Amino acid sequence: DAMVIQNPRYQVTQFGKPVTLSCSQTLNHNVMYWYQQKSSQAPKLLFHYYDKDFNNEADTPDNFQSRRPNTSFCFLDIRSPGLGDAAMYLCATSRDTGLYEQYFGPGTRLTVT
Amino acid sequence: AQSVTQLGSHVSVSEGALVLLRCNYSSSVPPYLFWYVQYPNQGLQLLLKYTTGATLVKGINGFEAEFKKSETSFHLTKPSAHMSDAAEYFCAVSEKNAGNMLTFGGGTRLMVKP
Repeated sequence: DAMVIQNPRYQVTQFGKPVTLSCSQTLNHNVMYWYQQKSSQAPKLLFHYYDKDFNNEADTPDNFQSRRPNTSFCFLDIRSPGLGDAAMYLCATSRDTGLYEQYFGPGTRLTVT
Repeated sequence: AQSVTQLGSHVSVSEGALVLLRCNYSSSVPPYLFWYVQYPNQGLQLLLKYTTGATLVKGINGFEAEFKKSETSFHLTKPSAHMSDAAEYFCAVSEKNAGNMLTFGGGTRLMVKP
């Protein structure tokens, strides 16, 4: 009964080679989030979708893009990965923002060679 | 702007001992407060949250936290640590003035010694 699914769990890409990470949810939540988490650090919000409305954090690099084709799926595209983009990428969902719990997927660990 | 400070990036306790993980926040209005736990190579899981009402909040796995407005704190406690509690713990706040997004503290790694 997985609720937030991320594929793949581990992804290796080459420097500068575009990569896409995927997230799906069975909770029918309105909000989907992408976080970047580097080693021994807190998750850093990259962007979120409230339904179809895309909200980019001010300091998210242009190299990162996202798509949400429907309620269930959300994708993170890294157009030209650099070595500094190696991290765990976490997808989360919530029914709404504010006091509502976020449900996290297991994450995708991205390695850039 | 809201911020969250977790005192102690690493905390070590013996099995059976009290667990105390500290969290202080700064916010212009009373925020919503959360504690999440993260096991290695996993996503975050909600332990407990405070929104309104009773300031002592009980969560899963025997954890609880108390919201103290005068101290702007939301410390996490558990009376008796278990080996399975070893993990990373994140305190987070959500504030309407900040778009209701979560702001995380830096995290505290809890180690439990046998």
